[in-house]
Parts: sequence; C-alpha cells; structure tokens
Amino acid sequence: DQQVKQNSPSLSVQEGRISILNCDYTNSMFDYFLWYKKYPAEGPTFLISISSIKDKNEDGRFTVFLNKSAKHLSLHIVPSQPGDSAVYFCAAGLSGSARQLTFGSGTQLTVLP
Amino acid sequence: NAGVTQTPKFRVLKTGQSMTLLCAQDMNHEYMYWYRQDPGMGLRLIHYSVGEGTTAKGEVPDGYNVSRLKKQNFLLGLESAAPSQTSVYFCASNKGGLDTQYFGPGTRLTVL
Repeated sequence: DQQVKQNSPSLSVQEGRISILNCDYTNSMFDYFLWYKKYPAEGPTFLISISSIKDKNEDGRFTVFLNKSAKHLSLHIVPSQPGDSAVYFCAAGLSGSARQLTFGSGTQLTVLP
Repeated sequence: NAGVTQTPKFRVLKTGQSMTLLCAQDMNHEYMYWYRQDPGMGLRLIHYSVGEGTTAKGEVPDGYNVSRLKKQNFLLGLESAAPSQTSVYFCASNKGGLDTQYFGPGTRLTVL
C-alpha cells in the first residue's frame, strides 16, 4: 500500500508554460514534504520542501503547494525550461521520527522546446 | 568535495552469489541510507544508520545486511543474490533530522 502516490507517470509541457506535478499521500501524520529531481544516470537531488505548518513555499521558478485537508501537494514550475526535463519524486516524512522518507513513484517531466 | 560516491556503478551477479556495495561520503554526515529504486515503485529504504557503529532496518530490509564501521562509509551486502534484487541502488547521507539527503549516482545491479 503506497502511502505517497504520484498518479501521473509522465507529463509533457511546452517550454515557457507552467508545469504542475501532483502528489497525494494517505498518512495524515506526515508533516514534512519534499520534491527531488533526478536526471538519468544520476542520483536524486533536492529541489524544494514544505512543512505542514505552511501551505506554500517558493524558490525561484519552483513553488510547492500543500493542501492538508485533501492530503495533496503539487509542484509548479514557471516558466518551464528544457533543462527541467527529469523525473520528479515527491517524498514525505515525520519530523519526530527516525528521519525515514517515503517516496512516490516519480513523474517524468518532458519540456518541449 | 566528491559528495557521495558509490562503488561499483554496474554489476551483474548470478543467483546465489554475494557482493558488497560501498558508499562513501566526505561531508562528515552522521546519517546514511540505502535505497532501491524499481520501476513504478519509487525509492524504498532498505537500511539506514544514524551514526558510526549503528544500523537500522528500513522498509525492505530482507536479503540485505549493512555495516557502518567508519563514519564516512556505509556498506550494503547481499549474501545470496536473487533475481528479485535486480534494481538500482542509491546511497544517501545527511546531517540528520530534516536536513536534505544527498544522493550518490547509483549502482545498477542485475541478478541473473
């Protein structure tokens, strides 16, 4: 039973437009959420995070939104660039736990020039 | 700084063979982790360590053993490899708590 789900395996977006990647979770105890980006043949790299006390966090072109009542978070990339083409993983964790993260299955984003 | 490095990058094993994957970090991080990534499954935590000499089980520990004899190294062992262990293995490290985890480039393991 996956506690963190990314229901869209892939997403294609035109360069300059907005990319919206979605993630749902089932464990209401999760209080910290992250997005990682992964290029082929490389390890994942941290992108942005949000704690459950906030509903939005912004870092340049990347914004993460958290809707706790819906157990849903999303990553917005504006404007999208071809270099953003990668697999995006969302992850969730418990701040008071043994620092284990639960990852979603990933969404392959392709930004078309 | 090299960050997190993993050895080897690729390996093919026959069923029943054993091997050890090495993870090394030069960031003086306390916490280290081993994950596996399978298609459609995301990253799943195998084992982790919260400091030198400590290890703990993650989500999918069966068939694997780990050791953290030195702070900078975290070893993942497969005593008797099975085809179900064909996967890409990632090591990560961080200072602990909610600190960002830094990942190595991965080891692609195929068990025939």
